[in-house]
Amino acid sequence: DGGITQSPKYLFRKEGQNVTLSCEQNLNHDAMYWYRQDPGQGLRLIYYSQIVNDFQKGDIAEGYSVSREKKESFPLTVTSAQKNPTAFYLCASSILAPSYNEQFFGPGTRLTVL
Amino acid sequence: DAKTTQPTSMDCAEGRAANLPCNHSTISGNEYVYWYRQIHSQGPQYIIHGLKNNETNEMASLIITEDRKSSTLILPHATLRDTAVYYCIVAPYGSSNTGKLIFGQGTTLQVKP
Repeated sequence: DGGITQSPKYLFRKEGQNVTLSCEQNLNHDAMYWYRQDPGQGLRLIYYSQIVNDFQKGDIAEGYSVSREKKESFPLTVTSAQKNPTAFYLCASSILAPSYNEQFFGPGTRLTVL
Repeated sequence: DAKTTQPTSMDCAEGRAANLPCNHSTISGNEYVYWYRQIHSQGPQYIIHGLKNNETNEMASLIITEDRKSSTLILPHATLRDTAVYYCIVAPYGSSNTGKLIFGQGTTLQVKP
């Protein structure tokens, strides 16, 4: 089945450690996105990529880094510089079309920093 | 900041139509209206989008006012599985389309038996 996978579903880390969240898609989508969601809030864009080896900062990129070495993969690293990393992280992908923006989302990773 | 305004929460009786309003008074001529929903602890799901005509698909109907400053998402026969947060989003199309979506806080729809 085509879709987006994120792993792991739950992740626990100690404060000060970097952690990498995985996102893989087999939809042949060009664009991929990372969002952060805090309790009771909407999604906020961290980074997005429209093509391999290129990505742009979203609204809250500080303390995060990404790479896009393959079309299918867009891993997100939460660094120790992120002041409050505990959150629900969602990855999405879409085709690049001028006509509309249907994004397909993964199941999310819930990160807890102890 | 989100360019839309939605009520924080709404209730609906199971089997009845759920009408979710959205205000987007600053919408530009080259922006679509999108609706997504997020069931608890899952990723959001696309529902429908429109420009200026009313749209219908297997999930919902979208009614956009003639001046395009507001819209209503209609779930014709709400079920308990429709309980979710519903997001109304405006985003550009054409050469201005970057693929980015700005999610506000949405409307929490509670469908009750």
